[in-house]
Amino acid sequence: AQSVSQHNHHVILSEAASLELGCNYSYGGTVNLFWYVQYPGQHLQLLLKYFSGDPLVKGIKGFEAEFIKSKFSFNLRKPSVQWSDTAEYFCAVNARRGSTLGRLYFGRGTQLTVWP
Amino acid sequence: GAGVSQSPSNKVTEKGKDVELRCDPISGHTALYWYRQSLGQGLEFLIYFQGNSAPDKSGLPSDRFSAERTGGSVSTLTIQRTQQEDSAVYLCASSLGGSLSEQYFGPGTRLTVT
Repeated sequence: AQSVSQHNHHVILSEAASLELGCNYSYGGTVNLFWYVQYPGQHLQLLLKYFSGDPLVKGIKGFEAEFIKSKFSFNLRKPSVQWSDTAEYFCAVNARRGSTLGRLYFGRGTQLTVWP
Repeated sequence: GAGVSQSPSNKVTEKGKDVELRCDPISGHTALYWYRQSLGQGLEFLIYFQGNSAPDKSGLPSDRFSAERTGGSVSTLTIQRTQQEDSAVYLCASSLGGSLSEQYFGPGTRLTVT
């Protein structure tokens, strides 16, 4: 079965600090990779996705993530965070084929708090 | 509609009662998913519908849980004889289907079993 690990449960930063949230997954086949964000009181929204091609993907609000296949990692980065980035961030993976096709496997989430 | 909608937004029920949760996917999306979000378990997959294919029910935690999708659109998740451990936020998502599509989530139904 697939699994996703997010290394940081709670990250606290000041505005303008740089952010990197770690995500590792375990699966031997080809996968799609996603980061979702859940702002306070809102539903899950897609931040960015990787299907194929350039391993450095850019998403909304200045976020980017890099897929490193050899490390089974898909870390999320932002050079300068804002107070409005305070939210919970989820890394997710799904398989391209096989019996688990389609279903997303989520990490436990990282709560990011940004102080103004 | 513009996004995935779910109803009710909140549901409080007594232990032992049955509940029905509804999901309206994005128009044209052939795939529909149910997930559960709880403090202890995080986000976990429950069931997946793709077009007219048999659903993937492998994530349902017990036989008290069932789901159906009528006319390839609206879906209902039913929990029979609710237990306190069923308390969670139930999320529905839809996608265009296929191996290269992202899932769009609804706002969820917060279920509290007292």
